[in-house]
Amino acid sequence: AQTVTQSQPEMSVQEAETVTLSCTYDTSENNYYLFWYKQPPSRQMILVIRQEAYKQQNATENRFSVNFQKAAKSFSLKISDSQLGDTAMYFCAFSHGSSNTGKLIFGQGTTLQVKP
Amino acid sequence: NAGVTQTPKFRILKIGQSMTLQCTQDMNHNYMYWYRQDPGMGLKLIYYSVGAGITDKGEVPNGYNVSRSTTEDFPLRLELAAPSQTSVYFCASSSPPVSASTDTQYFGPGTRLTVL
Repeated sequence: AQTVTQSQPEMSVQEAETVTLSCTYDTSENNYYLFWYKQPPSRQMILVIRQEAYKQQNATENRFSVNFQKAAKSFSLKISDSQLGDTAMYFCAFSHGSSNTGKLIFGQGTTLQVKP
Repeated sequence: NAGVTQTPKFRILKIGQSMTLQCTQDMNHNYMYWYRQDPGMGLKLIYYSVGAGITDKGEVPNGYNVSRSTTEDFPLRLELAAPSQTSVYFCASSSPPVSASTDTQYFGPGTRLTVL
């Protein structure tokens, strides 16, 4: 069974600095998708960034970028120029590419606090 | 578009009571999902549906039932509520996940359920 592991329960960063959140996953598949979701105190789940496993290029979305290491099964999220609004819980998630059901498998989450 | 709506926002149940959590989406998505999030943890899939009349179990289906009579609605039924079902419940929907570029799950705001 696929698993997603986030080994950092909590992290903090000073405003305007850079922080990296770690995620590892386990799968025997070659075709899959990876996601980072943000959950602020409002509880709303917000998609931050996605990565297709067949693409070698790392995805970027403004201040958010990923370091996708397929062989190592690692998918870290880098937040540059951290802002107070980035304070939230961040979840790494995995989706099968072949089953075509779109089911997501989530990690345990990392709580990020951005300090002024 | 309202997106994905869930009712109620909060509910307290007594052990053994039953209730239905409502979920409606107005994006004409075929795929819908129910997740639960226990305190400090990631989301786990309860049930999902790939279209009207089609449902399937996820990772943690025990104690729950679903139905999908229309594209828009995907209610989650709790029978004989137990304290272990105290959680936040999220409904989500997506278009057919043909590729990661379109495979985005839209989440509702969640229902916080407490069973005493």
